[in-house]
Amino acid sequence: QKEVEQDPGPLSVPEGAIVSLNCTYSNSAFQYFMWYRQYSRKGPELLMYTYSSGNKEDGRFTAQVDKSSKYISLFIRDSQPSDSATYLCAPGGTSYGKLTFGQGTILTVHP
Amino acid sequence: DSGVTQTPKHLITATGQRVTLRCSPRSGDLSVYWYQQSLDQGLQFLIHYYNGEERAKGNILERFSAQQFPDLHSELNLSSLELGDSALYFCASSSRGGDSTDTQYFGPGTRLTVL
Repeated sequence: QKEVEQDPGPLSVPEGAIVSLNCTYSNSAFQYFMWYRQYSRKGPELLMYTYSSGNKEDGRFTAQVDKSSKYISLFIRDSQPSDSATYLCAPGGTSYGKLTFGQGTILTVHP
Repeated sequence: DSGVTQTPKHLITATGQRVTLRCSPRSGDLSVYWYQQSLDQGLQFLIHYYNGEERAKGNILERFSAQQFPDLHSELNLSSLELGDSALYFCASSSRGGDSTDTQYFGPGTRLTVL
């Protein structure tokens, strides 16, 4: 079993939809949780970062962590075609700087 | 543009060969990380260097080695290449030693094809 499981999709939604992206993890040692966005043929870029259970909001993006059930979510409100990318969850904290990435979910937002 | 540069962008080589991938971190960043991204394994952490010293090791094969030089650039050496080593190799950098609030900025990657 992988330490981090993420549904690879692909996920296709109309513009303006609310998108829910999810990951589960098995390692209780993870201390912080990142979401990265990766456009085609580019390197990943950090979107959101959370350290504890609960919600964190940044504009149209909300990151949610439930440590008791080892469940991580990213919500995108009012999705735009420019949000079309691969979204990767990445828990960390087991050793310095090591991030354990999920498989990534491919999202397409069509006009 | 993250400020992290990687060369070359593309590399095509044959099985059994050795290649060197180069990474220049963002100005002022002390940490460099190497990741491998393939279709079947996803994005996997290989190794982390902080100010010239190895800080953490992940799923890095013995045929692979890395180092960080005094000017803080890093090189990833891949030897005895196999078909399965074909992947995108990313370098990332961060300003500190990889603690919880130390954001990693990724470069554009080097695409390695082993024929």
